[in-house]
Amino acid sequence: AQTVTQSQPEMSVQEAETVTLSCTYDTSESDYYLFWYKQPPSRQMILVIRQEAYKQQNATENRFSVNFQKAAKSFSLKISDSQLGDAAMYFCASAFGNEKLTFGTGTRLTIIP
Amino acid sequence: DTEVTQTPKHLVMGMTNKKSLKCEQHMGHRAMYWYKQKAKKPPELMFVYSYEKLSINESVPSRFSPECPNSSLLNLHLHALQPEDSALYLCASSRTVWNREEETQYFGPGTRLLVL
Repeated sequence: AQTVTQSQPEMSVQEAETVTLSCTYDTSESDYYLFWYKQPPSRQMILVIRQEAYKQQNATENRFSVNFQKAAKSFSLKISDSQLGDAAMYFCASAFGNEKLTFGTGTRLTIIP
Repeated sequence: DTEVTQTPKHLVMGMTNKKSLKCEQHMGHRAMYWYKQKAKKPPELMFVYSYEKLSINESVPSRFSPECPNSSLLNLHLHALQPEDSALYLCASSRTVWNREEETQYFGPGTRLLVL
């Protein structure tokens, strides 16, 4: 079975600080994609960043970057210079060689002013 | 432009009502999805349409009936729903269904459904 696990139900960070959200996954596929989605209280699911498994270079998107460790099946999200607008539920997800997105259970991130 | 729109934003219906949710995208995507999301939970896949044809039905009860009239539009027809069907219904689209370069799903803002 293909699974995505987020072990941190809740995280908090001081504004302007850096926070890392953890995600691990399990798959026997060699070709897959990993995503971080953000869902604010306004509820729209917004793509934050994506990583292709065949690429060794970690993806970055402005203040967001990932630490992709393929051998360890780990895909963490680092948010630098945290802002109040970063407060949201963050879902790690993966497309393991088919059309279905497998989601983790989410991490609720709180930003402390 | 990565916009997926959904209407209505909110919907309250009784168990005997018939209603429809609408989803639209103009990105030229050929795959569209319906998800159900309960509070504080990840989205659960309901249906996948690929090139206007239903390709996946995740054993969804027949009181939910999807329809894809054209490549830009996806409907979800609701009939005789139960209170436990109250949830956020999300629509998503992607360029194709599982293509190595174009698999990213883009989500709409959702419809908050309350069944009384």
